[in-house]
Amino acid sequence: SYVLTQPPSVSVAPGMTAKITCGGNNIGSESVHWYQQKPGQAPVLVIYHDSNRPSGIPERFSGSYSGNTATLTISRVEAGDEADYYCQVWHTSGDHYVFGTGTKVTVL
Amino acid sequence: EVQLLESGGGLVQPGGSLRLSCAASGFTFSSYAMSWVRQAPGKGLEWVSGISGSDGTIFYADSVKGRFTISRDNSKNTLYLQMSSLRGEDRAVYYCAKDRGGIVGLEFDHWGQGILVTVSP
Repeated sequence: SYVLTQPPSVSVAPGMTAKITCGGNNIGSESVHWYQQKPGQAPVLVIYHDSNRPSGIPERFSGSYSGNTATLTISRVEAGDEADYYCQVWHTSGDHYVFGTGTKVTVL
Repeated sequence: EVQLLESGGGLVQPGGSLRLSCAASGFTFSSYAMSWVRQAPGKGLEWVSGISGSDGTIFYADSVKGRFTISRDNSKNTLYLQMSSLRGEDRAVYYCAKDRGGIVGLEFDHWGQGILVTVSP
């Protein structure tokens, strides 16, 4: 089955930049979406179609690709960005959604 | 404002059945695909099933295929998940999620608050 691998945790100081990676076989052929989930809350879409921000999401959140890795970048990190982040694709050859393993972002 | 409100969760014995509902409002329900996503306690997100907006095309995760049935009633703006032969590993918070388009395969732009399903003797 298709697997999306993320680092379990990322720690970052306030004001600095956090990068969360999402690796998968031939991920460049898929459209990657990113979700933020705070404790006890439902996920929130923060990036769709690789690098697009929904309305209401700060410009500090951006998405990119390189090789077999998609990356969510959070610039000028704030305490309120502390959350779990998940990447997601629709795996066309399997006709199913796949979520990444999730990354807990801790703001120091 | 888009609202998704799940109901029907609770405690069920292994092997039992349960039906979840998701009442939708604030958008033209029939025009959008919908999915169920679950999250076991302390674990990550797992997509369960999805159904397209108008033609009713359905997809399932392998982990629930043959045991769960997704459906929708566009006249009632409601999404359902009929769960049968429940196992301990089905214990999770179940979220209803709206796709950004009419077909399954796009991103989820709105989520419900989730409902807990517990499977225990």
